[in-house]
Amino acid sequence: DIVMTQSPSSLAVSAGETVTINCKSSQSLLSSGNQKNYLAWYQQKPGQSPKLLIYLASTRESGVPDRFIGSGSGTDFTLTISSVQAEDLADYYCQQHYSYPPTFGSGTKLEIK
Amino acid sequence: EVQLVETGGGLVQPGKSLKLTCATSGFTFSNAWMDWVRQSPEKQLEWVAQIKDKSNNYATYYAESVKGRFTISRDDSKSSVYLQMNSLKEEDTAIYYCTCGPLWGQGVMVTVSS
Repeated sequence: DIVMTQSPSSLAVSAGETVTINCKSSQSLLSSGNQKNYLAWYQQKPGQSPKLLIYLASTRESGVPDRFIGSGSGTDFTLTISSVQAEDLADYYCQQHYSYPPTFGSGTKLEIK
Repeated sequence: EVQLVETGGGLVQPGKSLKLTCATSGFTFSNAWMDWVRQSPEKQLEWVAQIKDKSNNYATYYAESVKGRFTISRDDSKSSVYLQMNSLKEEDTAIYYCTCGPLWGQGVMVTVSS
């Protein structure tokens, strides 16, 4: 199975700051056939189901604010949240769907100071 | 409106069985690949199982942790997907989500305890 290592496990920032969450996979998620990275980012707010933010490493899901930016390729990926807002309080997870079984990172808890 | 609604959760003793149902609406279920994903009390997400559509011969896939104990199935006439869970263990305790691509249900709690 592909192991997804996410960091940090938690962080606290003030509104307006920029946040970076890292995700490293134990194998490359880059398809040689189409040059796409099969990496997704999810946001889970308290008491809610996970919500897809980013897919194919950098494509925002419809309706997701443009302050959420996904980047990276191969084995190293980043979710950047610029100008964090209070409503961004949540857990964030990366997930690979390059190969079975799909696997998730352990999550990053974002707190707002 | 797209909806995925899970039912059938509850408290069950180790070794017993439980069947989860996910009723869907608002999209073409017959073409959809459906998954079950669970979230442990420690909040770790784990993919559990997938069933593809008729054109892919309803192929199924399972996490190693549930293979041989859980069975995923679907009824296209009811736009529903199921998860039959047998020989339940305490480590199966989790919120179980029905998912389809970016779509997630609200989840249903399964607690395995004596």
